[in-house]
This record gives sequence, C-alpha cells and structure tokens, in this order.
Amino acid sequence: GENVEQHPSTLSVQEGDSAVIKCTYSDSASNYFPWYKQELGKRPQLIIDIRSNVGEKKDQRIAVTLNKTAKHFSLHITETQPEDSAVYFCAASHQAGTALIFGKGTTLSVSS
Amino acid sequence: EAQVTQNPRYLITVTGKKLTVTCSQNMNHEYMSWYRQDPGLGLRQIYYSMNVEVTDKGDVPEGYKVSRKEKRNFPLILESPSPNQTSLYFCASRDLYGYTFGSGTRLTVV
Repeated sequence: GENVEQHPSTLSVQEGDSAVIKCTYSDSASNYFPWYKQELGKRPQLIIDIRSNVGEKKDQRIAVTLNKTAKHFSLHITETQPEDSAVYFCAASHQAGTALIFGKGTTLSVSS
Repeated sequence: EAQVTQNPRYLITVTGKKLTVTCSQNMNHEYMSWYRQDPGLGLRQIYYSMNVEVTDKGDVPEGYKVSRKEKRNFPLILESPSPNQTSLYFCASRDLYGYTFGSGTRLTVV
C-alpha cells in the first residue's frame, strides 16, 4: 500500500522567511496530493492540493510542487507570519473515493 | 452549511465498556473514513467506507468496528475499549475536492 514520508518533523523560522516541507510517496499510481493545516485543538483543514497532471500550483503565499518521476511533492510558504504556526500534513491517494494516506506531520513555528 | 458532525467531543470511559462515536455528514458524500491521531504518528486510518454497506479496514482497524447503513452516517464502535485506544479521533467525508473533517472526539480510556 501507499506510504508517505514527511520531513522535517519540526521547523522553526523567523517571520518573513520562507518555509518548505517535503513529502515522498511510494505508490506510483497515486495522483492526488493535498496539504492540510491543523491549528492547536482544531480539525485539519485543506489548504491546497495538486493532481498529477499539474507540476505546480499557487495560492497567494502558499505553493505546492510535484515531481511524479521522483515521487515527491513539497509545500512552500513564503513571507511567513505567526498565524502560519500549526501542524502541516501532506497526504496522497488515488482518485477521489479512495484512502488518503497522511504523512506524520510537520510542526511549523513562526517567531516574530 | 456543509459539515461533518461528530459526537461526543470529549469522552472518558472505563476499560471494557462499549461505546459509539457518531459521525454524520450533510454533503451526500459517498466516501467516509475514520482516523485516529496520536503524537508523532500523524493521522492513521482506522476504517473507511466507499458507499452504503461497503466498509473496509484501514491501517489500524484492530479493536474497532464501523457500520454504514445509510449514506450520511458512519459510526465508530469500540466493543471493549482499552487504554491504548486513548486518542483523538476524526471522522471525514470526501468528494473530488478533498476531505472535510469533523471537529474530533478526544477519547480517554482508563
């Protein structure tokens, strides 16, 4: 089955810096790669996703890149702000309607 | 408002006492799933359901049961809870655009 590895497990940056979180997956049939943000005590919320027919996707300060050949994808947050502090999870799956396998999460701390 | 509703939010119970955590979605999603979240282990899938009367095991199904008698509801049943099932549980439903998670149930088994 699918296995998703996520690095780093913790990341500390200064406000205004960029943050990058990387994930690798094992199943070459996976074609959907979402990223979730979980603030303390709250549910995970989808922040951005990418499908295998796209190499990069941006939404304001966040972007995701996908390298299908290498089976890895990354989350990039630019101009980080204290409210970006949270746990971020990557995930991978086949087409909609199948299991979403999560990485173990990255705790991002943004200090002002 | 589109949502996934879980109940209860918090539950403390004793070893061996059967319990059910309810989950309901109002988005007409076919796919629903249960996850448990533990520190350092991320979100691990317990069971999932691709449609009514269709359920399947995830990565950590031992000690849990589920049922899917109707599309909107997907309860998680612990027949004989044990302390290693103390965790934060999330129900989720999914369409083409990703998962919507419930608010979570923090379960403590003593």
